[in-house]
Amino acid sequence: DAGVTQSPTHLIKTRGQHVTLRCSPISGHKSVSWYQQVLGQGPQFIFQYYEKEERGRGNFPDRFSARQFPNYSSELNVNALLLGDSALYLCASSADGRYNEQFFGPGTRLTVL
Amino acid sequence: GDSVTQMEGPVTLSEEACLTINCTYTATGYPSLFWYVQYPGEGLQLLLKATKADDKGSNKGFEATYRKETTSFHLEKGSVQVSDSAVYFCALRSRSGGYQKVTFGTGTKLQVIP
Repeated sequence: DAGVTQSPTHLIKTRGQHVTLRCSPISGHKSVSWYQQVLGQGPQFIFQYYEKEERGRGNFPDRFSARQFPNYSSELNVNALLLGDSALYLCASSADGRYNEQFFGPGTRLTVL
Repeated sequence: GDSVTQMEGPVTLSEEACLTINCTYTATGYPSLFWYVQYPGEGLQLLLKATKADDKGSNKGFEATYRKETTSFHLEKGSVQVSDSAVYFCALRSRSGGYQKVTFGTGTKLQVIP
């Protein structure tokens, strides 16, 4: 069975640009969560979506947004990129977003120059 | 809010040495506790978990026991191998409103030398 997939694997942007990261959950999973992992730190929770609705949001600015599609895949969008947005962005899927375990994808490495 | 504190690394051990990585947490309610492992250039892999007090999670020779009285979930292995070299993250899962959130520690880098 395919696990959580994310694209692209790596991405280089410059300050002020916009970026879109994509995630496909495990088949049958209806919830997707996004995390930011800055080098040398643990992942920080950004968003959780379930059934196309935002269920939770971490302490991130409005430049960060996300959405979930009818097939349960998800996009994370970041506007007006800052150097500090350079990080590994992890997507995790779970069956229901409340009680079931989260499975993590390999991540997208974003570098902002 | 929820928080996880784990011992700082890096931890350098010789092959076949004993490993302990300390982890303590602060959370309301009854969180589930996890250890994740991250190999260089890769995402997170679940190593083991415990969902209630006194549960012991185990996998690949690693163990951790959920100690509610000391709010701890220390990771242990009796004999480490070079292939165990990675970054280990302690984490807790809590539920708030209609969703679950995982809070991670800062990670402990383990290097095992032959």
